Amino acid sequence: AQKITQTQPGMFVQEKEAVTLDCTYDTSDPSYGLFWYKQPSSGEMIFLIYQGSYDQQNATEGRYSLNFQKARKSANLVISASQLGDSAMYFCAMREGNFNKFYFGSGTKLNVKP
Amino acid sequence: DVKVTQSSRYLVKRTGEKVFLECVQDMDHENMFWYRQDPGLGLRLIYFSYDVKMKEKGDIPEGYSVSREKKERFSLILESASTNQTSMYLCASSLAGNNSPLHFGNGTRLTVT
Repeated sequence: AQKITQTQPGMFVQEKEAVTLDCTYDTSDPSYGLFWYKQPSSGEMIFLIYQGSYDQQNATEGRYSLNFQKARKSANLVISASQLGDSAMYFCAMREGNFNKFYFGSGTKLNVKP
Repeated sequence: DVKVTQSSRYLVKRTGEKVFLECVQDMDHENMFWYRQDPGLGLRLIYFSYDVKMKEKGDIPEGYSVSREKKERFSLILESASTNQTSMYLCASSLAGNNSPLHFGNGTRLTVT
């Protein structure tokens, strides 16, 4: 089974609107971390936000927030007030327990329209 | 800020050449990783290292080796480059613990002709 599933290969959003990128995960480990990365066309991977499995509150970092629904095993990224510079690939990732392995989703390509 | 530096942004090599991709991090991270990224296949882990001189195979180690002689430096070696190793190579580092993110370098786009 896939550890991380991103079901939206591509999405469009109007500038200044909010957008939600979906991510579901699969693990039986009670301790894990969830991460979102942004990859612009230039290729670098930029860490955006982290959510721990024991965190009670949803993580927020500026315009990014993570909608963490543990029972549903989902960790959706919400970008508020989209900007043209948000156009990029977005990857969801998970790190389980004390292991050093990260599992990545296949990514969602976000296009922000002016 | 964590800085992970990959020695080359673009590299063109010939089939059969030995290729070295170098990666240096400045944050004293225990863990370092090499990934390759190909369209439609996502990020695939080649090797990672959790300490100096320690290494573990990832999902696609065939055709690659690694070296970690110093904590800050992790090298990926293509012993005899082949055209199917044309790809984007991403180095990353992290602290131990599942709350620690990967910090990536800018990537090396390798073309083997």
